[in-house]
Amino acid sequence: RKEVEQDPGPFNVPEGATVAFNCTYSNSASQSFFWYRQDCRKEPKLLMSVYSSGNEDGRFTAQLNRASQYISLLIRDSKLSDSATYLCVVTRAGGFKTIFGAGTRLFVKA
Amino acid sequence: DTAVSQTPKYLVTQMGNDKSIKCEQNLGHDTMYWYKQDSKKFLKIMFSYNNKELIINETVPNRFSPKSPDKAHLNLHINSLELGDSAVYFCASSPGQGNSPLHFGNGTRLTVT
Repeated sequence: RKEVEQDPGPFNVPEGATVAFNCTYSNSASQSFFWYRQDCRKEPKLLMSVYSSGNEDGRFTAQLNRASQYISLLIRDSKLSDSATYLCVVTRAGGFKTIFGAGTRLFVKA
Repeated sequence: DTAVSQTPKYLVTQMGNDKSIKCEQNLGHDTMYWYKQDSKKFLKIMFSYNNKELIINETVPNRFSPKSPDKAHLNLHINSLELGDSAVYFCASSPGQGNSPLHFGNGTRLTVT
């Protein structure tokens, strides 16, 4: 079993839709959580950190449930430019090992 | 002024050759990493250095040898290249102990023929 598991994709949604991605992690000692975005043939870039209280950045909302070892990302009012692969990322306790999920591909169509 | 820069961007070489990829960061970060992204797009950590000291070595073949001459540089040397080494290799850096996000270079696409 992979340490970080994500929804299999791809997700195909129309512009303006709301889409949610889920992620689970297996190591209960994990300490930091992030969502990254990766465009085709580009490097991953930080989308947002995920905090226990949940956090929002514009159209993006991230939630963390430590008890269930579950992370989510909600994208509201999807734009064409949101089309990318979304990576769930977890850092182990001790801090130096950052584990990436396999990613969920999102296609937003006009 | 690029924050994390890697060279070369593309590398095409034959099986059995030895090659190096260089990485430099100007962010003043203490920790640097090498990740491999294979054809299935899965990003897997290979090595991590903190202040020039190796702290993570993830069951990577001995043919791969990282070197960190100072905390701003982390190079990757690969001996006796194999077909399965074909992938995109990403260098990354972070300020310290993992509660900070990683900053990635734009990758080196290695093709072994």
